Amino acid sequence: AQKITQTQPGMFVQEKEAVTLDCTYDTSDPSYGLFWYKQPSSGEMIFLIYQGSYDQQNATEGRYSLNFQKARKSANLVISASQLGDSAMYFCAMREGSGGTYKYIFGTGTRLKVLA
Amino acid sequence: DAMVIQNPRYQVTQFGKPVTLSCSQTLNHNVMYWYQQKSSQAPKLLFHYYDKDFNNEADTPDNFQSRRPNTSFCFLDIRSPGLGDAAMYLCATSSDTGGAYNEQFFGPGTRLTVL
Repeated sequence: AQKITQTQPGMFVQEKEAVTLDCTYDTSDPSYGLFWYKQPSSGEMIFLIYQGSYDQQNATEGRYSLNFQKARKSANLVISASQLGDSAMYFCAMREGSGGTYKYIFGTGTRLKVLA
Repeated sequence: DAMVIQNPRYQVTQFGKPVTLSCSQTLNHNVMYWYQQKSSQAPKLLFHYYDKDFNNEADTPDNFQSRRPNTSFCFLDIRSPGLGDAAMYLCATSSDTGGAYNEQFFGPGTRLTVL
């Protein structure tokens, strides 16, 4: 079974508009972390935002915010005021486990294209 | 600036010819990871080092090996590359403080071509 599911293989958004990228996850571990990364065509993975399973408030980082709905096991990324430079692949990832046994699991990604 | 460095950025090898990819970090992180990412797919964890302890993923082929001679360096050895091993290889590090928040810092990747 998929641990991280990103159901949108591709998305388009008009410049300056907001866009939501979906991510659902599956874990029985009470302590976990959720991450979003951006991967431009150059290939480097760029950390965007983090949400801990015990965090009471939704994470925000500049134009990025994470809509965390724990009961629904979803962690959607919201990008406000989209810019042309936001065009990239976006990956949702989950960290579960502890100590030396933890691992990061990535979703299949969503390719975002921002239109001028 | 503290960072994760991967060399080379592009590597071409021949079918069956051993190849080594290198990763170094100036972050002094205790955990280092190697991922394989094929075109338009999610990164797939191959293995990671937690300090000196090696943790291999169950489905990582024996063809892939790793070495971590010290905190700063980690190597990925592909003993006999096949055409299916052509991919981007990403190195990442994190500092495990015991909590759930441990951001991974990624290097720029090495794109491997197998002829």
